Amino acid sequence: GAVVSQHPSRVICKSGTSVKIECRSLDFQATTMFWYRQFPKKSLMLMATSNEGSKATYEQGVEKDKFLINHASLTLSTLTVTSAHPEDSSFYICSARALTGTSGGPDEQYFGPGTRLTVT
Amino acid sequence: EDQVTQSPEALRLQEGESSSLNCSYTVSGLRGLFWYRQDPGKGPEFLFTLYSAGEEKEKERLKATLTKKESFLHITAPKPEDSATYLCAGGDSSYKLIFGSGTRLLVRP
Repeated sequence: GAVVSQHPSRVICKSGTSVKIECRSLDFQATTMFWYRQFPKKSLMLMATSNEGSKATYEQGVEKDKFLINHASLTLSTLTVTSAHPEDSSFYICSARALTGTSGGPDEQYFGPGTRLTVT
Repeated sequence: EDQVTQSPEALRLQEGESSSLNCSYTVSGLRGLFWYRQDPGKGPEFLFTLYSAGEEKEKERLKATLTKKESFLHITAPKPEDSATYLCAGGDSSYKLIFGSGTRLLVRP
């Protein structure tokens, strides 16, 4: 099956610093990747949609200057949390959309293992 | 407004006791109904995508079905290793996934 990796799996940083999280599709190309945030015992909250070669689209209420997203290639997207604060502590998960059919046809989305961010 | 609702919130089963999880959805331009399994501290693991009413898919002890308003995840003779949170999501016209709140399943030996 399709594999998505994230790095790092855990990171602890001090308040005011920036943290970069990488999301890679290992065995398929992903024109679209998505970034989610998940709070304990809650479902996934979509933060932004990342398309290769274009600017990310952010969901309402998500600060684009705080959560910088770059989709540099068909297999790599990065999320940078800038000037992190304790309230940014969370579980961040990416997903990648794999086309298994023609445009507009069947598709599947695969998730990475997540990154646990703790801001002290 | 697009919405996905899952029930029950939590489910406890004895090993071998079959049951079903429900997912009700209202998603305009639905491009697919997704089921995932999530273990604590890990990312969701893809299970199924269903595209049209009447479609069914199976994987081991799991079977997913789809109607125009609901999807069901049937678990036949579950084992303790099936314990996890099961997430349902509707894919909208821009391929975003709208997630339900999940069903936490515990299967006791």
